[in-house]
Amino acid sequence: GENVEQHPSTLSVQEGDSAVIKCTYSDSASNYFPWYKQELGKGPQLIIDIRSNVGEKKDQRIAVTLNKTAKHFSLHITETQPEDSAVYFCAASKANTGGFKTIFGAGTRLFVKA
Amino acid sequence: ETGVTQTPRHLVMGMTNKKSLKCEQHLGHNAMYWYKQSAKKPLELMFVYSLEERVENNSVPSRFSPECPNSSHLFLHLHTLQPEDSALYLCASSQDWTSGGVATQYFGPGTRLLVL
Repeated sequence: GENVEQHPSTLSVQEGDSAVIKCTYSDSASNYFPWYKQELGKGPQLIIDIRSNVGEKKDQRIAVTLNKTAKHFSLHITETQPEDSAVYFCAASKANTGGFKTIFGAGTRLFVKA
Repeated sequence: ETGVTQTPRHLVMGMTNKKSLKCEQHLGHNAMYWYKQSAKKPLELMFVYSLEERVENNSVPSRFSPECPNSSHLFLHLHTLQPEDSALYLCASSQDWTSGGVATQYFGPGTRLLVL
């Protein structure tokens, strides 16, 4: 069935270093790829997204890249800070009858050490 | 604040109790979702409502009963739950696909449920 694989499941970096999280999706009809950040005690919050007609998008220290051919997309966080510590989820979505079909990755727990 | 609120934030219930979770969105969306989030598991989609009609039910046991009285409110009625149902229950909303928008879902803070 359709799925999204996310790696790594846990990532520990030193403050100031970069962090990269990778996802692979199976449904070639997916055309929208959001990334969510979930802090302790909160629901997932959208941090950046990309549509299938774009290869890269950047917002300050966060960037996302998309390779449609390989069905890969990645989240890059530069100059990491302790407040970046959270669980990050990728997702792949497409329009579906009556709504959107969104499949989430299993999540990456990011630790940023001060 | 994401514009999606959930109450209660925490709930402890026995297996014979009946309780309801409430979700309200203030974003003008017309699709709403219930997810279950358990430790070390991906988000599990439970139900989807679009334009107040249930469009998806992912093989969820009948002890979970959703209700969507209007496009701003979503309920999850719980009865005779099992301990393995203990989890974080997240509500989300988005625009419906017919609006031509994208699938960005906005999540509430969740209800942490413990079934004893």
